[in-house]
Amino acid sequence: GENVEQHPSTLSVQEGDSAVIKCTYSDSASNYFPWYKQELGKGPQLIIDIRSNVGEKKDQRIAVTLNKTAKHFSLHITETQPEDSAVYFCAAQNYGGSQGNLIFGKGTKLSVKP
Amino acid sequence: DSGVTQTPKHLITATGQRVTLRCSPRSGDLSVYWYQQSLDQGLQFLIQYYNGEERAKGNILERFSAQQFPDLHSELNLSSLELGDSALYFCASSVEQGFGTEAFFGQGTRLTVV
Repeated sequence: GENVEQHPSTLSVQEGDSAVIKCTYSDSASNYFPWYKQELGKGPQLIIDIRSNVGEKKDQRIAVTLNKTAKHFSLHITETQPEDSAVYFCAAQNYGGSQGNLIFGKGTKLSVKP
Repeated sequence: DSGVTQTPKHLITATGQRVTLRCSPRSGDLSVYWYQQSLDQGLQFLIQYYNGEERAKGNILERFSAQQFPDLHSELNLSSLELGDSALYFCASSVEQGFGTEAFFGQGTRLTVV
């Protein structure tokens, strides 16, 4: 089955700096890659996603890139703010067959220092 | 508010006991997913239901079972509880099980086994 590796497990940056979180996946059939943000005491919330027919997607300060050949994708947050502090999860999903579940990485705890 | 409701929010029970966690998906969502979140394992996929039928199984123990009812709410039953079952249990829902479908997460049920 699918396996998703996520690095780093913790990341500390100064406010205004950029943050990059990287994930690799094992199943070449995966074709949907969302990123979730989980704040303390809350459930994960989707912040951006990318499909396998696209190499890059941006939404304001957040961008995601996908390299299908290398089977890795990354989250880029620019001009970080203290409210970006949270745990970020990448995930991979394979449409087709009988499975449509999301497989998550183990998460990255991002701390943005004022 | 994601629109996914989980009850109870907190549950404390003794080893060997049985508990039931409940999830009401967003209106119109047919797919329900259950995830277990522990500190060292991240978000582990347990099981998925689509319109009342089991669609995918992940790392779900034989002591655990789930079902989705005709009104689309779902219950996760955990029996013969052990200390190691203490975790956050999340339910997520999506409109369908297919490609690029955003999954919306509930606030979770924190289970503590003592």
